Amino acid sequence: GAGVSQTPSNKVTEKGKYVELRCDPISGHTALYWYRQSLGQGPEFLIYFQGTGAADDSGLPNDRFFAVRPEGSVSTLKIQRTERGDSAVYLCASSLTLAGGPEELFFGEGSRLTVL
Amino acid sequence: AQKVTQAQTEISVVEKEDVTLDCVYETRDTTYYLFWYKQPPSGELVFLIRRNSFDEQNEISGRYSWNFQKSTSSFNFTITASQVVDSAVYFCALRGYGNTGKLIFGQGTTLQVKP
Repeated sequence: GAGVSQTPSNKVTEKGKYVELRCDPISGHTALYWYRQSLGQGPEFLIYFQGTGAADDSGLPNDRFFAVRPEGSVSTLKIQRTERGDSAVYLCASSLTLAGGPEELFFGEGSRLTVL
Repeated sequence: AQKVTQAQTEISVVEKEDVTLDCVYETRDTTYYLFWYKQPPSGELVFLIRRNSFDEQNEISGRYSWNFQKSTSSFNFTITASQVVDSAVYFCALRGYGNTGKLIFGQGTTLQVKP
């Protein structure tokens, strides 16, 4: 499809396990963003990529969280030693231009992570 | 610090009623952008509008209208003649100029439109 694609849509894992969440942005979009949305809350910024590099990772909660975008397109959010508090919907978004401008972010449907 | 407050957690109206969703923001930036997003049950955030800080003109798009008032730091959203399909969670968001994609979202307002 033409939109932002996220896989898996649902992931259930056990505490302590490693998880990868994938985001395929809209073709041609240079900027990519990860947000986390807990139940009943607004999305919270995690990290932003411009091309292959992480331009702002100030929202990553701790060093268990890491994200890559090796070829400037698909991105993977990696969570090590998952904790129950990591349970949330992880949203990916992409945009066409540099993030300093007022461009619109296009969001995917999210990956719902449940840590038991 | 930047902050967005949506004081209304849930609103329930009957179809065809008008409804206003409130949004109040805080920022020290002189240039910034305000957004409204809709989140239906599918979970995908759908962009509705973007407003920059130096354009205080109100905007109308079909049944939707937005009232931006810099003096009160508010960016309210009105749906006229609401429909059941308008039922969703609505988020107001703020971004400073030059910020690297960091949207600051409010907590959202759940709108339920009953037939």
